[in-house]
Amino acid sequence: DAGITQSPRHKVTETGTPVTLRCHQTENHRYMYWYRQDPGHGLRLIHYSYGVKDTDKGEVSDGYSVSRSKTEDFLLTLESATSSQTSVYFCAISDKLRDGYTFGSGTRLTVV
Amino acid sequence: GQQVMQIPQYQHVQEGEDFTTYCNSSTTLSNIQWYKQRPGGHPVFLIQLVKSGEVKKQKRLTFQFGEAKKNSSLHITATQTTDVGTYFCAGQAGANNLFFGTGTRLTVIP
Repeated sequence: DAGITQSPRHKVTETGTPVTLRCHQTENHRYMYWYRQDPGHGLRLIHYSYGVKDTDKGEVSDGYSVSRSKTEDFLLTLESATSSQTSVYFCAISDKLRDGYTFGSGTRLTVV
Repeated sequence: GQQVMQIPQYQHVQEGEDFTTYCNSSTTLSNIQWYKQRPGGHPVFLIQLVKSGEVKKQKRLTFQFGEAKKNSSLHITATQTTDVGTYFCAGQAGANNLFFGTGTRLTVIP
């Protein structure tokens, strides 16, 4: 959707290497989220942010960290990638806690 | 913890047939949202239901929120090939984050 972009779109990395995924929004929305999508599991929340420098863990946060130094950018870092982190990662934004989410186009990450 | 179960996991229908997917929560929800994800795409927000017993329609799509606010359904009348995709419900309890169901993948046979 217009207003939210993820980069890169695809990435292949080796086990043990650090990886950073970027989510950029131009909507000035307060809330930003990182989800991973795996077959049979739907969308699972990794971390979320409710403002600049305000972040919290989701249900599958182990092995991931996030940072939000500006309203428009939300970074997801895998400190030391593992094969279990092979997945499609989606960023989402919302203006209010109970608004519908707008999702980015996703990043397909493969850890070999 | 909060769980949102969605059934069926897969559904194949002939074009023109109706389709329904059901969503059940282990806890009472404050609101429920529905999303559609086309193959290879990203989830797209369809609608939000807030009130007990609420029914909303979008053309051939009818969304319902149960009286107890623990279940919801999406019904598509006379499916078309453009309806193909995975439909997700997502529930929110109080100030908690949205919790997604596992989705129902719809295939429409022309």
